[in-house]
Amino acid sequence: EPEVTQTPSHQVTQMGQEVILRCVPISNHLYFYWYRQILGQKVEFLVSFYNNEISEKSEIFDDQFSVERPDGSNFTLKIRSTKLEDSAMYFCASSWAQSSGNTIYFGEGSWLTVV
Amino acid sequence: SQKIEQNSEALNIQEGKTATLTCNYTNYSPAYLQWYRQDPGRGPVFLLLIRENEKEKRKERLKVTFDTTLKQSLFHITASQPADSATYLCALADDKIIFGKGTRLHILP
Repeated sequence: EPEVTQTPSHQVTQMGQEVILRCVPISNHLYFYWYRQILGQKVEFLVSFYNNEISEKSEIFDDQFSVERPDGSNFTLKIRSTKLEDSAMYFCASSWAQSSGNTIYFGEGSWLTVV
Repeated sequence: SQKIEQNSEALNIQEGKTATLTCNYTNYSPAYLQWYRQDPGRGPVFLLLIRENEKEKRKERLKVTFDTTLKQSLFHITASQPADSATYLCALADDKIIFGKGTRLHILP
């Protein structure tokens, strides 16, 4: 079965450093998402991306964050000037059509630890 | 803003029995409601979707109901097995998906 792949699986970074999390969505999917889950808390929506632009973003997704689809396969989340509270599992997801009425497939996550 | 409450952080059910998980929300009824399974350290896995005009949806041993009057969805696993032990997430879906905190289900052998 096709799957969403994410790299790295775990990254430790110093506070203030920039981090790029990478995702390869399922190949024929058109909608892409980033979610995060702080340890012990719920999965939170960050951003959705369609047709090479952000279609929706949450309050969490401020100027510190950016997303990019640099080529036909990768979808990246950049976090500038990381803070301790950015430590979380970051999930990439993709879907064929808009997520609300369709199956959305999640990757296994990238665990980010900011020290 | 929309709030989602899932019953009890943890639920213990004897193997073979039916597990019933509850999801309540506070504001408007979403167009769709989804249920996911999440294992420790893994990403959520989509299980079922139910539309606001549907009362019930089934898939193998899973059944979901959606009551827009009560603002509630129930998620049932019949003939539960230890392999069903996981956290189950309710999610409201309109233009984006909003997750509940989840219920940890333990099926006891």
